[in-house]
Formats: sequence, C-alpha cells, structure tokens
Amino acid sequence: DTEVTQTPKHLVMGMTNKKSLKCEQHMGHRAMYWYKQKAKKPPELMFVYSYEKLSINESVPSRFSPECPNSSLLNLHLHALQPEDSALYLCASSQAATPNTGELFFGEGSRLTVL
Amino acid sequence: QQQVKQSPQSLIVQKGGISIINCAYENTAFDYFPWYQQFPGKGPALLIAIRPDVSEKKEGRFTISFNKSAKQFSLHIMDSQPGDSATYFCAASRGRNTDKLIFGTGTRLQVFP
Repeated sequence: DTEVTQTPKHLVMGMTNKKSLKCEQHMGHRAMYWYKQKAKKPPELMFVYSYEKLSINESVPSRFSPECPNSSLLNLHLHALQPEDSALYLCASSQAATPNTGELFFGEGSRLTVL
Repeated sequence: QQQVKQSPQSLIVQKGGISIINCAYENTAFDYFPWYQQFPGKGPALLIAIRPDVSEKKEGRFTISFNKSAKQFSLHIMDSQPGDSATYFCAASRGRNTDKLIFGTGTRLQVFP
C-alpha cells in the first residue's frame, strides 16, 4: 500500500466554523507533513511531524492546529479561518525526515473553501 | 539563496516533441534534485531525481541534465505525449532531507495531439 489517504476531498466552511482535515498512511513512514497549495503555485510547507513529534512549524497562524495521534494518522484542525486560507491542503509522508531517502508521498489533497 | 528558479512558467508542445524545463539554484549545499509531477486534482508525485555526482540521469522518456558549475538542472521529456500534460516542479534539498525541500515555481506543460 503506497497511498496517502486524505479526507474530506472538499470542504466548505464559514469563518466561525471548526473543522478537521484527516490524513492516513500505512507505509510505515515515520515523518508526516502538511502543505498548503494555492492555485498555480508550488506546495508550501506548514508542519512536519517526525516520529509523532512536531519538528517543524513554518510560522503558521494558530488558527491551524496539527495533531499526530499515532504514526499512521495526521490531523489538521481548523478554526476561525479567513477567506485567504482557501487552498488545497496536501498531506505527505516519507520514511523519515532527516536524513531520508528523499521521496515525499503526497495524498490527493483536501480542497478547502472558506466563505 | 534558498530559492530554486524555474522556467518557463508554461509550455505548449506538440505530441512527439521534446519538452524542456529549466531550473537554477544558488545554494551550493544543495545535493539532491528531484522533479515532481502533478496532475490536475492530484497531489505531486516523484518523477525522477539526481545527485550532483552525475551529469545526466535517464528513466524512460524522462532525462535530467545537471550542470554543477552553472548551478542549473533541467528536465527533458522526449516524445512528449498528451498524458504528460501536468504541472512539473523541480526541487532541491541538502542531504535528501525532505523536511527542507525547496520547490521551484512550477511549469504547466500542455501536450497537444
């Protein structure tokens, strides 16, 4: 199984809502990532979990709250988002983070629209 | 110094033609250069990667050419097919560390029959 599965595929939320994005992998990878991708732009790193501990937070606003319940699962909790947060949120995994074989495995993403 | 510059922004090629995408970097500490391919509605997927100890790597119709002295690398797609239509991102990192992968700005490739 070489898949990273993300749910939901699409999410529409208001600025006062609380929602969560979920990501799952069963490849035994020990590093998991959240990326944000705007249209026609490259993915931007948000968070890295290495061995279930948050290792990188790229100065992401606190309205985004990551959680790694176990080595296979990664959540991104969303609260009080702004319309400019509308984007494709990509989850990725890798065997490790540093050092690594170098390959990131991406999910298909959750497309978020904030009204 | 952490940027990876990619060109062109978009590329239109006829079926059977050669697609060429170029990238340039400044940080000489980078030593791993992957290319990711992203189809509409999908996440990026690793296509091919190169280390600076070789000047070229070929996998099927896809070839990376690497010029260490010029700090440039490029992706060549031979015999381009409509199924190759996607966005291509070059990237760079030091020591294959995926938590410090720097992506280029992307090239949207369209291959017409």
